[in-house]
Amino acid sequence: DQQVKQNSPSLSVQEGRISILNCDYTNSMFDYFLWYKKYPAEGPTFLISISSIKDKNEDGRFTVFLNKSAKHLSLHIVPSQPGDSAVYFCAASPYYGNKLVFGAGTILRVKS
Amino acid sequence: GAGVSQSPSNKVTEKGKDVELRCDPISGHTALYWYRQSLGQGLEFLIYFQGNSAPDKSGLPSDRFSAERTGGSVSTLTIQRTQQEDSAVYLCASSLERAAEAFFGQGTRLTVV
Repeated sequence: DQQVKQNSPSLSVQEGRISILNCDYTNSMFDYFLWYKKYPAEGPTFLISISSIKDKNEDGRFTVFLNKSAKHLSLHIVPSQPGDSAVYFCAASPYYGNKLVFGAGTILRVKS
Repeated sequence: GAGVSQSPSNKVTEKGKDVELRCDPISGHTALYWYRQSLGQGLEFLIYFQGNSAPDKSGLPSDRFSAERTGGSVSTLTIQRTQQEDSAVYLCASSLERAAEAFFGQGTRLTVV
């Protein structure tokens, strides 16, 4: 039972344009959501998070949007840069401090 | 060190042998996680330690897998009688109590031949 789903295995974007990565979840108990970025041969690194009391959180070029009624969140990267090319994982937690459940990941390729 | 440290970084073992993977979390982090990533797959949850609470072992795939955390710090993941399907990158992460942001180590790439 996949509680966190990233339905797009890959995404290709031109440098300077917007990258939009999507994530859906099924467990209504999830109330904290995170995005991680992973380069080959490295561990995932934390990127940005959002709690269920918000619908948007912004950090520089990265913005995460949460639509609780649709159980959907998205990560926007503007403008996209070649160094953003990596695998992006969406993760969710039932409450602050509990285990993280990860999606399968989306490979982002930013072309220069 | 400042980050999560895992050892070894690579391990090649023969089918049927036992292996131990080690994780040194960030000092002061009370939560510790083990995940694995098989080729082309996402992050699969294995086990979660939080302080002195009983660990959440719900992700361990079989009774060949076990993990312990000694003194609330270092953790060891043990795989007995390894099988080829155990080949994966095993990732450890730690976080502060009540903080969901987890910091990952670089992982141990396990290859069972």
